Amino acid sequence: GEDVEQSLFLSVREGDSSVINCTYTDSSSTYLYWYKQEPGAGLQLLTYIFSNMDMKQDQRLTVLLNKKDKHLSLRIADTQTGDSAIYFCAETFAGNNRKLIWGLGTSLAVNP
Amino acid sequence: GAGVSQSPSNKVTEKGKDVELRCDPISGHTALYWYRQSLGQGLEFLIYFQGNSAPDKSGLPSDRFSAERTGGSVSTLTIQRTQQEDSAVYLCASSPGQDRVEQYFGPGTRLTVT
Repeated sequence: GEDVEQSLFLSVREGDSSVINCTYTDSSSTYLYWYKQEPGAGLQLLTYIFSNMDMKQDQRLTVLLNKKDKHLSLRIADTQTGDSAIYFCAETFAGNNRKLIWGLGTSLAVNP
Repeated sequence: GAGVSQSPSNKVTEKGKDVELRCDPISGHTALYWYRQSLGQGLEFLIYFQGNSAPDKSGLPSDRFSAERTGGSVSTLTIQRTQQEDSAVYLCASSPGQDRVEQYFGPGTRLTVT
């Protein structure tokens, strides 16, 4: 079935790395996404990865995918207070019109 | 360029009234999605439009919900006889379609049913 799970909270100090984790159950996932939602704002696409890749890097963001364990992570290097937000993991899978199946989101708090 | 826009940004309505929510996708995007974000359910898919194909309505929670997309561009989500459980943020996303898989979201419409 379709299920995406994330831990609900993460707290880090400014300048440290943050690692946000996500697990999914559908082995036919084709794309996995990370979105960011700041308070009162819409969803911002951060990055996505195709399921036959195991890593993708974009500036301070590194996505790691372990398809065997169905585990996805987002690493934010040199975390800043502006990174405080809710981070959503989402997946799409073959044949579902690419509708996004979402986790409940991880609230990242960055402490100065 | 212009992103996805939605209107109104906030809507307060009485239980039993009908509401219409509007989405203007990014110009040239062929795919359009509606999602709902609520405290109890998180983010849920509602409906998907792709070009002139029949929409995927598999996420609509009841027959009180309907949506249309005119001319392959603007979309309207209609909720009839609103209930308190319909209170949520309704989000629209558009995607370039074809081989492109990114979905870009609008700011949402916050619906409150009193």
